[in-house]
Order: sequence, then structure tokens, then C-alpha cells
Amino acid sequence: NAGVTQTPKFQVLKTGQSMTLQCAQDMNHEYMSWYRQDPGMGLRLIHYSVGAGITDQGEVPNGYNVSRSTTEDFPLRLLSAAPSQTSVYFCASSTSGRAFTDTQYFGPGTRLTVL
Amino acid sequence: GQQVMQIPQYQHVQEGEDFTTYCNSSTTLSNIQWYKQRPGGHPVFLIQLVKSGEVKKQKRLTFQFGEAKKNSSLHITATQTTDVGTYFCAGPGTSGSRLTFGEGTQLTVNP
Repeated sequence: NAGVTQTPKFQVLKTGQSMTLQCAQDMNHEYMSWYRQDPGMGLRLIHYSVGAGITDQGEVPNGYNVSRSTTEDFPLRLLSAAPSQTSVYFCASSTSGRAFTDTQYFGPGTRLTVL
Repeated sequence: GQQVMQIPQYQHVQEGEDFTTYCNSSTTLSNIQWYKQRPGGHPVFLIQLVKSGEVKKQKRLTFQFGEAKKNSSLHITATQTTDVGTYFCAGPGTSGSRLTFGEGTQLTVNP
């Protein structure tokens, strides 16, 4: 199993551009989520999904969209990139819809810079 | 929303010294998880605590869950350079299926 994969690993955008960060898992996990990590602020939840066709907002959802059309994939879309979205983005997945009781498996991350 | 506060934010130790990071919540937690993130890497699950007063050990790492289930700690005995990284605690969010992370404690070990 590849586990959780994320692409791209690095990305530089200009303000106002849009893009999609890809996340895929091959463990048949129900729960998937996106976090952003900024220095001194830990991991903040952007959006999450408890199963295909179901998504919900986390702590910092503004400026981001998600969809979950399949169990395997959970892309994160930046609608109009802003410098405040410069961060490291992690995708994570776990077995069931109860994230707080399951081991979270993280992808390697995408390092995004918005100029 | 649910907040899990973690201290200290940074800790520098000499190799061989002990290290402790603390995680506190204003409300009772059903459970708490601990993760380690190596520099440049991604968080990796270490352990989950569920029971009041629970203590679990993994070699030189000792994890405790408070009697009131509002705090937790991770203690590393005789640190090694391989312990370098950021340690996060994580607990349930106030709604839905969320997992809320503390700010993390960044540990550096001087050889």
C-alpha cells in the first residue's frame, strides 16, 4: 500500500491564481481531512469528510473548497490564492468516521508559497 | 471550540537529559492522542490514551492521562538525537468528527 499520497510536493502561486492540491489513499479509509500547518500554530483543520459524498468545514475553511466523489480521493481547491495561504498542507485519513478515536495517517505534505 | 493547549512551545536539552511536554484542556476529554513530527516530515501517530489516570510506556517514552481527563503529558527519559522533532497532542473537537491538535512542542537535542 502507498498509504496517503499528496501532489504536488511543492508549489508556488501568484496571488489570485487557483489550484487543486491532490490527496489519495489506498487503505479504504472512510475519514479524510485537510490540515494546514503554520509556525507556532500547530495543525489547523480546514475541511474533512466522513465518507464519499459528505464533507464539512473545519476551523479555517475560508478560501478553500473540497469534494469527495470517491472513497480514495479528497482534493483541496484554492479558489483565489492569497499570501496568507502560504503554508504546509497535510492530508490525513483514518478508518472510520470518528477521527478522534482513530489513528490518523498523514500524507507527506504540500509546501505552498503564494507570492 | 474545543481547545487543547500545549506547553512549552520549544524545549532545548542536552543529550541524556529528560524532557516533558504537557497538554491541557478546559473540558473533559474522551481520549487523547500523541503524534511526532520529524523536521521536514509529517505527523506520525504515537499512542492513544482513553482511561482516567492511564499510563503507557514505549521504551523511553511515558504517556500519562490525568485523573480528570483534562490533561496529559509525554515524558522522554534520557533524550537522544533521534528524539528531535515536534510532539503534538490531539483531542476531540466540539462538533462532528473533528480531531483538534495542540500547538506542539518543538524539541531540539544537543549532542
